[in-house]
Amino acid sequence: DAGITQSPRYKITETGRQVTLMCHQTWSHSYMFWYRQDLGHGLRLIYYSAAADITDKGEVPDGYVVSRSKTENFPLTLESATRSQTSVYFCASTRPGGLDTQYFGPGTRLTVL
Amino acid sequence: KNEVEQSPQNLTAQEGEFITINCSYSVGISALHWLQQHPGGGIVSLFMLSSGKKKHGRLIATINIQEKHSSLHITASHPRDSAVYICAVRDNQFYFGTGTSLTVIP
Repeated sequence: DAGITQSPRYKITETGRQVTLMCHQTWSHSYMFWYRQDLGHGLRLIYYSAAADITDKGEVPDGYVVSRSKTENFPLTLESATRSQTSVYFCASTRPGGLDTQYFGPGTRLTVL
Repeated sequence: KNEVEQSPQNLTAQEGEFITINCSYSVGISALHWLQQHPGGGIVSLFMLSSGKKKHGRLIATINIQEKHSSLHITASHPRDSAVYICAVRDNQFYFGTGTSLTVIP
């Protein structure tokens, strides 16, 4: 089915472990985004990508790594997970220009013990 | 420092009431978005606007660029409108408000 998907939907891990959250979209949207959502903070931008092989930091990039070797995939890696990274993570995409309507994935709820 | 402020944070209304949610922002923007997040967590974009007013069904969004303010109105509210409504603005990146939690009681 067309759309934007995230996997896994739920993940529990331990501090210090590496975790990769996957995001896949079928629209060939050029822009993709990773956000985290925490109570009291709203959505905060972690990283975004304007196209394959082009990524840039957002508001809260520390502790995260992204890559975009293919237009349709935008994985987010926590290299050494910390408890403060417990959150709900949303991936989103937009058409070229990055200013258009954002389409959000269903979210991944990550718990770091 | 919050680039985007929404009010109220929580809102309870009776079915059929007219609802207004406000958003003020402090950055220069190219566009403002209103999003809806349902209790299950999914986020849907309702409007993107850079000037004036847009209407979709019972939802109306307005923006005043000079005053850096936007409003989302819901006419004839219904329990299925119960959700969190999020305002987001874009200068060189997106900034999000913390959301307004709306509950519409039958």
